Amino acid sequence: SQTIHQWPATLVQPVGSPLSLECTVEGTSNPNLYWYRQAAGRGLQLLFYSVGIGQISSEVPQNLSASRPQDRQFILSSKKLLLSDSGFYLCAWSVPRPFNEKLFFGSGTQLSVL
Amino acid sequence: GENVEQHPSTLSVQEGDSAVIKCTYSDSASNYFPWYKQELGKRPQLIIDIRSNVGEKKDQRIAVTLNKTAKHFSLHITETQPEDSAVYFCAAEGGYQKVTFGTGTKLQVIP
Repeated sequence: SQTIHQWPATLVQPVGSPLSLECTVEGTSNPNLYWYRQAAGRGLQLLFYSVGIGQISSEVPQNLSASRPQDRQFILSSKKLLLSDSGFYLCAWSVPRPFNEKLFFGSGTQLSVL
Repeated sequence: GENVEQHPSTLSVQEGDSAVIKCTYSDSASNYFPWYKQELGKRPQLIIDIRSNVGEKKDQRIAVTLNKTAKHFSLHITETQPEDSAVYFCAAEGGYQKVTFGTGTKLQVIP
């Protein structure tokens, strides 16, 4: 069966420090991969999505970047964190067309930038 | 790009009553509409979904309706129970399986 791993679960970082969040998927090939951010009490904002290795689409201009160095690995990075980067970050995957489009989420990373 | 609006932002109902959450979308090419439930501090979980070739789908106490012409879809929960309390998100899928979410509805079921 397919599983998604996301780490770390919580992270406290000072303003201006770098960031690296990692997500891996097991049990499937060539998944679509996503990074979402959820600010406290808010909705899910799509940050990046990827349909293949090295293919990254950015949804919102911001301080963050994403990379997909391997088929089932998705990394969210920042060179210098801002206070506004605080939030709950969720990685997700889905099976590409023509199969179903259900999203499966990782357990999330609670990032606090102080 | 796709824009999904969701109402209401908060909803309180008495246990046993029905709850209805409504969403609209902007991209007429969207053809897949999932609903997710998120409990506090946890990941969103898919509870029901509907495709554009179907007008209604039901799964026990949960049902979803879709009006493609009007570009709106709704979630209906009947006989609500305290464990239904959570934040519910609607979503719409556009190109490249990019799923855009609504802003969420916090449902509180009062025992």
